[in-house]
Amino acid sequence: EIVMTQSPLSLPVTPGEPASISCRSSQSLLHSDGYNYLDWYLQKPGQSPQLLIYLASDRASGVPDRFSGSGSGTDFTLTISRVEAEDVGVYYCLQATQSPYTFGQGTKLEIK
Amino acid sequence: EVQLVQSGAEVKKPGESLKISCKGSGYSFTNYWIAWVRQMPGKGLEWMGLIYPGDSNTRYSPSFQAQVTISVDRSISTAYLQWSSLKASDTAMYYCARPLLQGAGSYYNTWGQGTLVTVSS
Repeated sequence: EIVMTQSPLSLPVTPGEPASISCRSSQSLLHSDGYNYLDWYLQKPGQSPQLLIYLASDRASGVPDRFSGSGSGTDFTLTISRVEAEDVGVYYCLQATQSPYTFGQGTKLEIK
Repeated sequence: EVQLVQSGAEVKKPGESLKISCKGSGYSFTNYWIAWVRQMPGKGLEWMGLIYPGDSNTRYSPSFQAQVTISVDRSISTAYLQWSSLKASDTAMYYCARPLLQGAGSYYNTWGQGTLVTVSS
C-alpha cells in the first residue's frame, strides 16, 4: 500500500498571502501511461469533500485559478497563490495510481 | 444535474447488521465507478473501495476487505455499503463519490452528502 504523507498538518495563513501544501508518496505515482494519478480535495467545515486538482495539475471545473497543482513521481504540491477566507478547511491528497487508493492525513488551513 | 443522494443517519447496536445506500441520478449510472470513503469522528478521509455498476467489478482496501460489502442494484441506480456485524469502531461518516470521467477510478467530482453511522450499546 502506498503511504501518502502531507506537510504541514496545520497551516495558518494571512489573507492575500500564498500557501503551499506538500504531499509525498512512498512509491512513485507515475503510471506506465505517463500520468500521475494524484488528486487534491478540500473539505470545508461541515461539508463533503470537493475536488480541486486531478492528474496532479489539472484544475477541476469551477475551481478558482488561484489553486494550482504541481509535481511528479513522489513529490507533489498544492499552491494557493492568494489565500481567501473561503479557503479554510482541510486539504487532502489522494493517490489512485495503485490500488488500494490512499489519502494523505490532511492539512488544516486556517486564517490568521 | 448529476447527484448522489445517500440514505439517512443510522443508530445501531454492536453486532447488528446495516446496509446504507447511495442513489445516483442525472447520468448513466452503469458507466461510472462509485467509491466509498470513511471519516471517523474528527479524523481524516479513508478510501474503502469502489464498484463499477456496469459489471459489479469491486475493489477493496485491505483495511476494509473483511469488514464490509460493497454492492449495487443497477435497476434502481443505487450502490450499497453493508456490515453484517457492526462494532463501535464503525462509528463514522460514510461518503459515496463518483469520478469526473467514465472509466476513471478517482478524481471524484461528485459526492454524496454523507451518512452518519453511530454504533453504541
